[in-house]
Amino acid sequence: SQKIEQNSEALNIQEGKTATLTCNYTNYSPAYLQWYRQDPGRGPVFLLLIRENEKEKRKERLKVTFDTTLKQSLFHITASQPADSATYLCALPQDPGGSYIPTFGRGTSLIVHP
Amino acid sequence: DAGVIQSPRHEVTEMGQEVTLRCKPISGHDYLFWYRQTMMRGLELLIYFNNNVPIDDSGMPEDRFSAKMPNASFSTLKIQPSEPRDSAVYFCASSGVGTQETQYFGPGTRLLVL
Repeated sequence: SQKIEQNSEALNIQEGKTATLTCNYTNYSPAYLQWYRQDPGRGPVFLLLIRENEKEKRKERLKVTFDTTLKQSLFHITASQPADSATYLCALPQDPGGSYIPTFGRGTSLIVHP
Repeated sequence: DAGVIQSPRHEVTEMGQEVTLRCKPISGHDYLFWYRQTMMRGLELLIYFNNNVPIDDSGMPEDRFSAKMPNASFSTLKIQPSEPRDSAVYFCASSGVGTQETQYFGPGTRLLVL
């Protein structure tokens, strides 16, 4: 099965800066990778999906990159705002056979200071 | 659509009691997932259904846990008897045709077993 590593330490940044979160995985390269946002007391909310043949995906202030050689995805939030403070989870398919069943990382907490 | 609905939102019970968590997936979704989230273990998949049929329950911790999906719009997760180590947040999620990779989570049930 896939093992996912996300920085367990919270990332503290100043409003307006770019936040960069990392997701590393071991074993096989997945067909796609997803990022979710989770606020305290709420369920995770889907943000972006990037496929193995895509190097980069953007959505408004969000950008995700996917490097299958490094087995890594980076998640960027540009012009960060205090409202971006949350935990961000990365998720990959549970197995390499095209399964839709995800395995989630433990998440990284982002704190944006005004 | 109201999204995934879970009840109750909070449950406090005593060790040995039976606990039943309920979930209504998004209409039209054919996959339903039950997760448990704790600080120690993160988000763990317990069981998932496809078209109301349980597909993989390998994540269910032990025989005290059972899940059913009697129809496309309702599922239950039961713990009998409950133990303090079952205290966690339990999430239900669903996904559907055309968007199977993406999971839509409910608000969760926060369970405390005393």
